[in-house]
Amino acid sequence: EAQVTQNPRYLITVTGKKLTVTCSQNMNHEYMSWYRQDPGLGLRQIYYSMNVEVTDKGDVPEGYKVSRKEKRNFPLILESPSPNQTSLYFCASSLSVPRGRGTDTQYFGPGTRLTVL
Amino acid sequence: DAKTTQPTSMDCAEGRAANLPCNHSTISGNEYVYWYRQIHSQGPQYIIHGLKNNETNEMASLIITEDRKSSTLILPHATLRDTAVYYCIVRGYMEYGNKLVFGAGTILRVKS
Repeated sequence: EAQVTQNPRYLITVTGKKLTVTCSQNMNHEYMSWYRQDPGLGLRQIYYSMNVEVTDKGDVPEGYKVSRKEKRNFPLILESPSPNQTSLYFCASSLSVPRGRGTDTQYFGPGTRLTVL
Repeated sequence: DAKTTQPTSMDCAEGRAANLPCNHSTISGNEYVYWYRQIHSQGPQYIIHGLKNNETNEMASLIITEDRKSSTLILPHATLRDTAVYYCIVRGYMEYGNKLVFGAGTILRVKS
């Protein structure tokens, strides 16, 4: 089944304890992205990756790192989590970044609910 | 992304068609209309998209007006599991970061 998976789905941690949220897709997608969703603020993009070894900042990258060593995986790393990173996180992927055609469909993972105490 | 306007909420009886409107009066010629939905705290789910022709897939139909200033998403036989927030998004190519920008959306409540 074509899907985007995230782990863990739920995580409670303490300030300063490094953590990694994994994201994997089995659709051979080039493009992957991380969003966070907060009440009243909607979905905000954290980082994105156009392809292996190509990553760039989204709108709210502070406090996060990513890597894209393989096409299928795009982990989100919080080196020193803080309470303001408590949020619902989504990973998304799409086949490719549109190059003049104007269309793409993004597939989202089930989400990771992170609480930082 | 071009601005879209959707009603805040709608109710629909189970088994009936749910018609969700979206206004996008500033849409430009190369921008597509996308619909996604998000069932409570789950990942957003792609539904359908179109440019100017009406589209249908196994989930829904998309009707786009001739002037492309508005569209309607139709769920032909709504079920309780269709209760969700529905987002209408207008996007072209080369959006910075290829990000999706979700507005407030329409809360659709399907009632038995």
